[in-house]
Amino acid sequence: AQTVTQSQPEMSVQEAETVTLSCTYDTSENNYYLFWYKQPPSRQMILVIRQEAYKQQNATENRFSVNFQKAAKSFSLKISDSQLGDTAMYFCAFMRADSSYKLIFGSGTRLLVRP
Amino acid sequence: SQTIHQWPATLVQPVGSPLSLECTVEGTSNPNLYWYRQAAGRGLQLLFYSVGIGQISSEVPQNLSASRPQDRQFILSSKKLLLSDSGFYLCAWRGGNSPLHFGNGTRLTVT
Repeated sequence: AQTVTQSQPEMSVQEAETVTLSCTYDTSENNYYLFWYKQPPSRQMILVIRQEAYKQQNATENRFSVNFQKAAKSFSLKISDSQLGDTAMYFCAFMRADSSYKLIFGSGTRLLVRP
Repeated sequence: SQTIHQWPATLVQPVGSPLSLECTVEGTSNPNLYWYRQAAGRGLQLLFYSVGIGQISSEVPQNLSASRPQDRQFILSSKKLLLSDSGFYLCAWRGGNSPLHFGNGTRLTVT
């Protein structure tokens, strides 16, 4: 069974600085997807970024980028120029590329951006 | 464009009472549908998923059940709620090559 581990329960960063959130996963699959979701206090789940395992190039979405290390099964999220609105829970998630497309989530990292 | 509706937003129910949470998706056909639960301060646990009408897969044995009576409707039910059923319930859908899209959730408190 696949597992996703986020070892940082809480992180904080000064506004405008850069922060990196860690995620590791365990799978024997070769074809899968990885995601970072953001959950602000409203509790809505918002997709931040996605990565296909077959792509070697790291995904980037504006201030958000990932460091995908397939051999190490590591998938970290870097937030550059942190903004107050980035304060939220961040969840790393794994999706096996089968018919179910189930998302398996990590336990989350609570990020606080300090003014 | 596709939208997902989940209701109610908040629910307070006594122990032993029944439960019915509903989720509908618009703007797509034959989506995969999912029910997740999030305990306070915790991650999301997959409860049920469905790849088609009448097809339900259960991930965690428990006091809950799910049904998919129509292509874009997914219902989470319980005959008798337990205190441990309290939590935040999220419905999600997926179609084509898209990632999962989530509803706004239902906060359930069992008293």
